[in-house]
Amino acid sequence: DQQVKQNSPSLSVQEGRISILNCDYTNSMFDYFLWYKKYPAEGPTFLISISSIKDKNEDGRFTVFLNKSAKHLSLHIVPSQPGDSAVYFCAADPQGGSEKLVFGKGTKLTVNP
Amino acid sequence: DAGVTQSPTHLIKTRGQQVTLRCSPKSGHDTVSWYQQALGQGPQFIFQYYEEEERQRGNFPDRFSGHQFPNYSSELNVNALLLGDSALYLCASSLGLLGYNEQFFGPGTRLTVL
Repeated sequence: DQQVKQNSPSLSVQEGRISILNCDYTNSMFDYFLWYKKYPAEGPTFLISISSIKDKNEDGRFTVFLNKSAKHLSLHIVPSQPGDSAVYFCAADPQGGSEKLVFGKGTKLTVNP
Repeated sequence: DAGVTQSPTHLIKTRGQQVTLRCSPKSGHDTVSWYQQALGQGPQFIFQYYEEEERQRGNFPDRFSGHQFPNYSSELNVNALLLGDSALYLCASSLGLLGYNEQFFGPGTRLTVL
């Protein structure tokens, strides 16, 4: 029973365009969400997070949007760069600071030059 | 400043054997969490250690056990290995337990069970 779902296994975009990665969750008690980026042979790297008291958080080219009523969040990357090509994981912290993260299966983003 | 390091990088075992994986946290960090990432899946939380005690545990059987040493490094032990234990094992470190603290991941240990 997956509590965090990333329904697109892969996404391909052109350099300079927007990349939108989606994530859905089932547990309305989740109150903190994170995105991690993972390159091959490396561990996941924290990218950006959002608390359930917000609906948007920006950090440079990366913006995360949270729609609590739909139990949906998305990561926008603008403009996309070839170096952004990686697997992106959506994760939720179900116990408010527990760090016991629940991850989705990931979306492989390919940014073509 | 060394990040999270894990050893070994790769490991091959046979069913029924036991394995020990090791993790050194990022300098200054005192909390270590372990995750299992099966092929095509996201990481799954196994357990977390703080002050040399297991503080939280995910839905994993008792065959999975761990330890944290006074220098904050940690070991993950898996007994009676099954084919399904084949996965990438990730260690993550953070500082403290109050509130959410960013977790830094190591590159992982790839375990293959034959």
